[in-house]
Formats: sequence, C-alpha cells, structure tokens
Amino acid sequence: GDSVTQMEGPVTLSEEAFLTINCTYTATGYPSLFWYVQYPGEGLQLLLKATKADDKGSNKGFEATYRKETTSFHLEKGSVQVSDSAVYFCALDTGGFKTIFGAGTRLFVKA
Amino acid sequence: GAGVSQSPSNKVTEKGKDVELRCDPISGHTALYWYRQRLGQGLEFLIYFQGNSAPDKSGLPSDRFSAERTGESVSTLTIQRTQQEDSAVYLCASSLGTGARTEAFFGQGTRLTVV
Repeated sequence: GDSVTQMEGPVTLSEEAFLTINCTYTATGYPSLFWYVQYPGEGLQLLLKATKADDKGSNKGFEATYRKETTSFHLEKGSVQVSDSAVYFCALDTGGFKTIFGAGTRLFVKA
Repeated sequence: GAGVSQSPSNKVTEKGKDVELRCDPISGHTALYWYRQRLGQGLEFLIYFQGNSAPDKSGLPSDRFSAERTGESVSTLTIQRTQQEDSAVYLCASSLGTGARTEAFFGQGTRLTVV
C-alpha cells in the first residue's frame, strides 16, 4: 500500500547549519506531497507542498523538490534557526481522499 | 468555524471508563480524519470519512474504538473500556477535494490521559 518513510530523529543542529530531512514514498498513483510542521505546544500546520513531478515547494526558507525518479521529497533549509525546532512530517495524497503521514522527525536547533 | 475545533482539549479518565471525543471540521470540508499521536511518536492513522461514503476504519487499533460522522459535519470518536495504553493526543483533521486541495487542517487535539 501507499506509505511514507522519513529519516529517524532526533536531528540536532547548531544555528545556521544546513538541514536535510529525508523523505521517500511508495504510491500507486501520482500523489501530491506535503511537509507539515508541529511546533512545541502547537497543532500541525502545512509547511509546503508540491503537486507534480519536479515541482518545488517552498516556505519560510524551507524547500522540497518532488523527485519522481527517486520517489523522494527531501526537506532542506540552508540556515536553520532556533525557532525552527519542531517535529516535521512528510505526507502524501494519492487522490484517494486520504492523507498518509510519515512518523515525523524531531529537529533540535542549538544557539 | 474558522478552523477545526476539538473538544475537550484535555481529558483525564479512569481505566475502564468510556470516553467520547468531538471534532468540528471546517465548514464545507468533505474529508475528516482521526489520528493518534503518542508521546514522542508520529501520527497513527485511525479512521477516515469522506462525504457519505463508507468510512475507512483500517487504522482503528481494536474494537474498543469507534467513530461516527453525520454527513459532512461533526464527528465523534468513542473509546470504550479505556486502557492506559490509550493515553495519547487524538488529532482531528479535515480537508477539501483531492490533489493540491487536500491540504489537511488540524485541530489542536484532545490530550487523553487514562489513569
């Protein structure tokens, strides 16, 4: 069945370091792909999305490119801040009206 | 309403008691999801409603769990004979359409503690 696999956390970085959180997926159709973020004490919210191959989603300095050939949607940021500390979830929707989430990756950014 | 609303925000219950959690989705959203998030873990899919279609119950962990939704409105998740392992945050989300429109909007969750 459809699934999402994320790198396990926690990921600990110093401020201004480069961030990559890997995400790969398995889907029978042509899914839309999403990254959600959950800041401490808050609910999940959409960070960025891409709806077709080679699309790049971006928001708040984060980027992810929909790579069909490698079935990946890795999240990147060039320079993280302490305020980026959160749990990041990769997700997909195959058009079957159901969003499937990865297990989440916790990011800690140290000052 | 403006967003997904869940109630109660916190619930402490004794082992063996039944609990009912409520979710008010965004008006017009045909899809509604329930997820469970245990402390320090990811989202665990429980159940999915889409309009008047039969719900996808494939994520419900046991027959103690059930959920209902009337049309495209409020949903309730019921846990019977609660166990300590049921302690978690229960998240509800709603969405509209497919593809780019299936961004899921989440409620703040109900934190359930079974003592």
